[in-house]
Amino acid sequence: GAGVSQSPSNKVTEKGKDVELRCDPISGHTALYWYRQRLGQGLEFLIYFQGNSAPDKSGLPSDRFSAERTGESVSTLTIQRTQQEDSAVYLCASSLPNPGREGYTFGSGTRLTVV
Amino acid sequence: GQNIDQPTEMTATEGAIVQINCTYQTSGFNGLFWYQQHAGEAPTFLSYNVLDGLEEKGRFSSFLSRSKGYSYLLLKELQMKDSASYLCAVLAPGAGSYQLTFGKGTKLSVIP
Repeated sequence: GAGVSQSPSNKVTEKGKDVELRCDPISGHTALYWYRQRLGQGLEFLIYFQGNSAPDKSGLPSDRFSAERTGESVSTLTIQRTQQEDSAVYLCASSLPNPGREGYTFGSGTRLTVV
Repeated sequence: GQNIDQPTEMTATEGAIVQINCTYQTSGFNGLFWYQQHAGEAPTFLSYNVLDGLEEKGRFSSFLSRSKGYSYLLLKELQMKDSASYLCAVLAPGAGSYQLTFGKGTKLSVIP
């Protein structure tokens, strides 16, 4: 696609429910990244995919968080048993295998609110 | 480890010039990026420096000194629409490839 697409754009969920967030990267971008951004805060790295493998999962905050990627394309971030502290914007970005001078291209994010 | 520092907030007047500094200490270096992020929106690419010196692009310029671990973003002829957060990010070897490490961002407020 022309850009990085994320869905849903907004999600309100009850505490304790599971949520799935989706990211469609730019076609040909084999690297994909998930970040979390709490209100007024910086970007918090969650996980990085190269193809369908995740060489770096170091940022996942707990075992309630997991992510997968299939077909070197779509990625899904799943949060189980959501907590109010999970409320944030979840940003996805994609890039060429070596970001080089183009860097990352970000999607518009999913705003998650846990009530 | 990777450490990137930039001021948390800055305020400047419409029409003026503002310089946003960034210092970094990273394991490896393959380039430095600046991104702009308006409130409620995704970060967008502004500039990339890999060699020392100044890169100019319209009203925005970015400078890099690799020996000092230092960069700045210079915004000239400030406009109200420049009110945003500006993120400094360093590209360095990471697990499996190269990854960007982001600073916490500088929130710039442009006032009339």
